[in-house]
Amino acid sequence: ETGVTQSPTHLIKTRGQQVTLRCSSQSGHNTVSWYQQALGQGPQFIFQYYREEENGRGNFPPRFSGLQFPNYSSELNVNALELDDSALYLCASSWGGNRPGELFFGEGSRLTVL
Amino acid sequence: TQLLEQSPQFLSIQEGENLTVYCNSSSVFSSLQWYRQEPGEGPVLLVTVVTGGEVKKLKRLTFQFGDARKDSSLHITAAQPGDTGLYLCAGYYNNAGNMLTFGGGTRLMVKP
Repeated sequence: ETGVTQSPTHLIKTRGQQVTLRCSSQSGHNTVSWYQQALGQGPQFIFQYYREEENGRGNFPPRFSGLQFPNYSSELNVNALELDDSALYLCASSWGGNRPGELFFGEGSRLTVL
Repeated sequence: TQLLEQSPQFLSIQEGENLTVYCNSSSVFSSLQWYRQEPGEGPVLLVTVVTGGEVKKLKRLTFQFGDARKDSSLHITAAQPGDTGLYLCAGYYNNAGNMLTFGGGTRLMVKP
């Protein structure tokens, strides 16, 4: 148990739709990072939020966007879904923003795009 | 784009055997981590190495960081079925502060 919870755990969407994934960070953590893990691959960094601001972004298009709330929970939004967006989306919480440290991962939200 | 390569991708061994997993990059890490991920769960941190040449042990697992901080290895002694899972190395690069870059993973199966 990492104390990081994600919802929903599984969902199915069709191409062109929009999806919102949610993450509650571990108590005391102020940083949330989002990763996309395609089947059989390692996680790919999407972006990080630190104190409600985006604090770094990986090689993902603008249709991937996010939010962090005052309680440090976070949302990942994906617009105009494509088949290749099918993946496990992982949220990780940590303390310290730019100071690398241990990431505590949730169990992920598995998105299937048909 | 910095690439972090793991080998082998898949490994199936019998209980009691030893194994080594490798993680290589062309760029220098400021620190490197190893995670283990089981089906339906997120990755869980096993170890962080920071200093070139550093060796850390966690029970039957031995982690080594290369002298040049561009590579790492994970050695498991006398593997057990409970070691089955996806082993991921992940590194922070000097020029990409807060972005943790993961390798593709090594999927290990230990048969009883």
